[in-house]
Order: sequence, then C-alpha cells, then structure tokens
Amino acid sequence: QSALTQPPSASGSPGQSVTISCTGTSSDVGRWNYVSWYQQHPGKAPKLMIYEVTTRPSGVPDRFSGSKSGNTASLTVSGLQAEDEADYYCSSYADIKTLVVFGGGTKLTVL
Amino acid sequence: EVQLVESGGGLVQPGGSLRLSCGTSGITFTNAWVTWVRQPPGKGPEWVGRIKDYTQGATTDYGASVKGRFTISRDDSKNMVYLQMDSLKTEDTAVYYCATGLCIGTSCHWDDAFDIWGQGTMVTVSS
Repeated sequence: QSALTQPPSASGSPGQSVTISCTGTSSDVGRWNYVSWYQQHPGKAPKLMIYEVTTRPSGVPDRFSGSKSGNTASLTVSGLQAEDEADYYCSSYADIKTLVVFGGGTKLTVL
Repeated sequence: EVQLVESGGGLVQPGGSLRLSCGTSGITFTNAWVTWVRQPPGKGPEWVGRIKDYTQGATTDYGASVKGRFTISRDDSKNMVYLQMDSLKTEDTAVYYCATGLCIGTSCHWDDAFDIWGQGTMVTVSS
C-alpha cells in the first residue's frame, strides 16, 4: 500500500481539463512544499512534470499545473491531448522513516 | 544528452544477493546525490535510498523496507553508484531505477524532485 493516496483512474475528452488528487498526512504533503508529480508512459521511466507543488521544469507545457491544500495536493491537466494519456504519480518529501513517499498512481485516459 | 544507465538486474532466489550498478554519460556524479527508486510491476514507485556526494560524507539513507539489507555506495573515479541487495525477499521484485535531482544553477532538489532517470533494470526474486 502506497503512502500517498491517489484515485486509480481519471479520464477526459480532448480539450477538457482533469484534476488528479494526492492525499497524504501532516507528516508529508501537509508539512512540506516539496510535492512533485511524474508522468510515466508504459515501459518508460517517470518524467518530472511538477516540483515544489506548483513549479514546472523547463520544457513541460503550461497545460500542467499543481496546487496544494492541507494534506492534499492536486495536478490539473488542461486542454487534454492524446499524448497526455499515461500514469501519473505524486511524491512528497517526508523526512520520517522514509525520506520520500510516492502515490500509487492514477491512470489518465484521454477519451 | 544526459543519461543514467542501470545494470545488474536478473532472477535471484529468496535470501540471495544482487548488486546493481548505475552509470552515467553526459554528467559526472562527483557532486551529485544519487537516489534509487523501485517500482513493482503494476504498482507505484517506492523510494529505496540515497547517497550524498563526498563533500557531504557520502552518507546514505534508506527506506524502512530495505534498511539493514540494502547498501548504496559510490565510486566517483568510475562515475558509478551501486546498490548492494542482500537477504532478498519476493517483495523486492521490481524495476529498479537510479535517478538524480533537478538542478537549476547551483540549487539542486536532491531529495524531492528527480529529473534524470535511468531506463531501469528488472529484479525478480523467486524460487
């Protein structure tokens, strides 16, 4: 069982927006502004999409945005495109038994 | 292009040992902290552990599920980082990735944002 809780699936039509949640605790997501989001296509390594809750690395489209409220972080993908179909994982700095905790992943389907 | 390359995965019996290697092209590990992350088939990633650079004493930290069984080491002369896995269990079966943190100028996110990953190497623990 993963430390962070994500919905197993999400979907949207091309052009629509979808939001994926990531729920942790006051020891990880709620305590630190070090939440990251990763995109993973089948058979590939994860790709960093968001770090420090809201910041996009260079090269990541501005259709991807992040936010946080309390113990829950969220990733929003606007203007869905076919290539956005992938698994998405959140992570948070934790600094307890395990420095970094991950979510179980959300499979995003573009209808 | 910056790349990390893992090697050493394979099939091992429960209780056995395996050593994974992580090499690089395009960057040097000298000042980098390197993290190992594993991902069981069909599941989310799990942080395994991390080694700091030698200016920070090459100190290591490990996840609770592997602490005492896994050891991370580095050889900067060879630009390599290693993951020694002992007393392997069936639940250690996963794709193992090495990764390093996002650096912007002199500011690096060693422990919270991993932007360079290897392609992964599969470890299967089974009798």
